[in-house]
Amino acid sequence: QQPVQSPQAVILREGEDAVINCSSSKALYSVHWYRQKHGEAPVFLMILLKGGEQKGHEKISASFNEKKQQSSLYLTASQLSYSGTYFCGTEAAGRRALTFGSGTRLQVQP
Amino acid sequence: DGGITQSPKYLFRKEGQNVTLSCEQNLNHDAMYWYRQDPGQGLRLIYYSQIVNDFQKGDIAEGYSVSREKKESFPLTVTSAQKNPTAFYLCASSILRRGANDEQFFGPGTRLTVL
Repeated sequence: QQPVQSPQAVILREGEDAVINCSSSKALYSVHWYRQKHGEAPVFLMILLKGGEQKGHEKISASFNEKKQQSSLYLTASQLSYSGTYFCGTEAAGRRALTFGSGTRLQVQP
Repeated sequence: DGGITQSPKYLFRKEGQNVTLSCEQNLNHDAMYWYRQDPGQGLRLIYYSQIVNDFQKGDIAEGYSVSREKKESFPLTVTSAQKNPTAFYLCASSILRRGANDEQFFGPGTRLTVL
């Protein structure tokens, strides 16, 4: 069963913030976040491991609530280059592979 | 440069024909994966392999077959049994050890159109 992402789509102005959520019904070992531009391959953003950590990458950060099996991706002071579709991929116990959500389409306008 | 290559970028086939998509990596990764992506959708796992001569079915394996005879190669065959094969196919690889470096590296993808 794939994780549920919300919102499905969001439109921002440059400089605004956004939060993308990812929720699973399974016990998770890790959550991965990727960004995909139209027609291209997904690009890795970050991994969050079991343990409830939070990570950051420039103005993009994420958290993982192990008890709730939820992860959130935080984009602050958005730039035009942040536009794309964001996917979370979850690794559950028992399967050494990712299950991806259906994606959140983010559009940043000038 | 290390990376993953997929060929061809675009592929057209007639209905009822089998077709094989190539995936090669020189990252020395043990694990390799095949995903299918339909327009506006997420990535769905077809097959994955953690070691040479071994592979596991993913969520949508029906109508597909794979082989893993070499560590660096993981070709995918789309058979005539796959009812709706037109899609964007992505190959990925990763190290097998769990941890902070367990990211998946993706190839550029093959866009398959069945006429």
